[in-house]
Amino acid sequence: TQLLEQSPQFLSIQEGENLTVYCNSSSVFSSLQWYRQEPGEGPVLLVTVVTGGEVKKLKRLTFQFGDARKDSSLHITAAQPGDTGLYLCAGGTNAGKSTFGDGTTLTVKP
Amino acid sequence: DTAVSQTPKYLVTQMGNDKSIKCEQNLGHDTMYWYKQDSKKFLKIMFSYNNKELIINETVPNRFSPKSPDKAHLNLHINSLELGDSAVYFCASSQEWSVAHEQFFGPGTRLTVL
Repeated sequence: TQLLEQSPQFLSIQEGENLTVYCNSSSVFSSLQWYRQEPGEGPVLLVTVVTGGEVKKLKRLTFQFGDARKDSSLHITAAQPGDTGLYLCAGGTNAGKSTFGDGTTLTVKP
Repeated sequence: DTAVSQTPKYLVTQMGNDKSIKCEQNLGHDTMYWYKQDSKKFLKIMFSYNNKELIINETVPNRFSPKSPDKAHLNLHINSLELGDSAVYFCASSQEWSVAHEQFFGPGTRLTVL
């Protein structure tokens, strides 16, 4: 079974602070997605990374895929209350299956 | 227009009953999924269909039976509901099942079994 562990599980910070969320596995993935889920809604895709070492930026969010394609990080600069939510990473294999991480709950206080 | 829709949004029922959840996607995607999200927010895949054919069937009790009448619909029927079935169930779709795995999720159905 492929497992994806996210850390930290819970993060509570003040508006304006920076943070990094990690997604680690012992398995190699063909691609990795990051999603954000808000209460009462389904996860919404933020980004997909496919190449080892790849870095993608989405406004204040920076995503990195590890060189060995086993891990990833999400860095948020100057967090805002609107960033509050559950962040999920998901690793995909060529067998058509995605394995989701156990999630990081982020709370950004104004 | 809603890309992936599920009905109902909330479902409260007694143990032992049979219930169905419906899912539709208007994205023209080939692949659809059912996930279960437990109280700890862990999202676990249950089933995946590609062009109406079952391609992933995780270790799910056979009380759960998915049905895909066409590639835009994937319904989930649950027989003899148990307390442990209480969770939020998400339907999702993706363009194809092989690469990238970018999935679009529905709003979820919160199932409560009493």
